[in-house]
Amino acid sequence: AQKVTQAQTEISVVEKEDVTLDCVYETRDTTYYLFWYKQPPSGELVFLIRRNSFDEQNEISGRYSWNFQKSTSSFNFTITASQVVDSAVYFCALREGYSSASKIIFGSGTRLSIRP
Amino acid sequence: GAVVSQHPSWVICKSGTSVKIECRSLDFQATTMFWYRQFPKQSLMLMATSNEGSKATYEQGVEKDKFLINHASLTLSTLTVTSAHPEDSSFYICSASGQGVNEQYFGPGTRLTVT
Repeated sequence: AQKVTQAQTEISVVEKEDVTLDCVYETRDTTYYLFWYKQPPSGELVFLIRRNSFDEQNEISGRYSWNFQKSTSSFNFTITASQVVDSAVYFCALREGYSSASKIIFGSGTRLSIRP
Repeated sequence: GAVVSQHPSWVICKSGTSVKIECRSLDFQATTMFWYRQFPKQSLMLMATSNEGSKATYEQGVEKDKFLINHASLTLSTLTVTSAHPEDSSFYICSASGQGVNEQYFGPGTRLTVT
């Protein structure tokens, strides 16, 4: 069975600090996709990244970076030089198989608060 | 990316009444749609998966007679909460995938409050 664990329920840091959000997943499939979504107070999910199981290359997008390690089944997300606008709930998610028509399973989320 | 809309964005209804939420794919044909429910400060929980023209597949513990899902066209799926009660108050989010898109796209969500 597929499962996503985000052990950090809430994180609070001061602006400009770096922060890493942890994500550990479980799956029996060899083909799967991992995601990160941001959910601001409005509720609408904002897609951040998708990574497939065959691509372990880390990715950087501006202040955001992702570290995918199959050996530890982890897909961690780092925000560098955090800003108040980064405050939101962040979800890690998993989809098994190639098809976009497969269900996505979400972790419990990490509530990130950036203090000015 | 592709666009998915939901209507209404928020709704208040009285206990015992039914309410319908629409999920539309605006620029692609959605062969598969998903409905999620999110209670305050909790994660998104998948309720059901629907394929166009077929009956929806419900996740364990979701009452299919209470949450009626219709996916009669390639651009529209509806979720009807029948005989709503205060415990059904939640944030309902749909997502869609299908022809011409390589990923699922999420709607903005509908906030339901049952009084």
